[in-house]
Amino acid sequence: GNSVTQMEGPVTLSEEAFLTINCTYTATGYPSLFWYVQYPGEGLQLLLKATKADDKGSNKGFEATYRKETTSFHLEKGSVQVSDSAVYFCALKKSGGSNYKLTFGKGTLLTVNP
Amino acid sequence: NAGVTQTPKFQVLKTGQSMTLQCAQDMNHEYMSWYRQDPGMGLRLIHYSVGAGITDQGEVPNGYNVSRSTTEDFPLRLLSAAPSQTSVYFCASTPGTGVGNTIYFGEGSWLTVV
Repeated sequence: GNSVTQMEGPVTLSEEAFLTINCTYTATGYPSLFWYVQYPGEGLQLLLKATKADDKGSNKGFEATYRKETTSFHLEKGSVQVSDSAVYFCALKKSGGSNYKLTFGKGTLLTVNP
Repeated sequence: NAGVTQTPKFQVLKTGQSMTLQCAQDMNHEYMSWYRQDPGMGLRLIHYSVGAGITDQGEVPNGYNVSRSTTEDFPLRLLSAAPSQTSVYFCASTPGTGVGNTIYFGEGSWLTVV
């Protein structure tokens, strides 16, 4: 079946540091890939997405590239801010059939210190 | 821009009590679903619906019931609450099965069963 593995947290960085959160997936076909973010006490928000190989999703300074050869969708940001402190979830939506459901990774807690 | 609306946001229940988590969307989306979020486990699918009158079980359906009498509403019922159902619950909707379709989430319902 489909699965998503993302790096274990928590991750603690200083402001302006470079961020990478690794995400790899297992799926048949060509899934769509997503990063969702959950700020403290809030719900899930879509951060970025990519729907085919080599696509790059980007938003709010975050980027992730859909790499089919390595089945990865790593999240990066060049310079994090305190306001980026949140839990980040990698997710996939499979192609065809029941592709209205998401399979999530376990989440990575990011804390950015001033 | 209401999107996906969940109520209540916070609830404390006693073991054995029943309750309904409400979910409504105003985007005319066909597909709706309920997830639960537990620490270290990401989000797991409880039940989903592909249209009014049609529901099906997800990954962790035990202890929960759903119905879909209208396109807009998708309530989740806990028939006899148990401490293991202490969790954060998210309702989600998406317009269809297109590869690029985004799944939108509500703000979450924090449930504690004592």
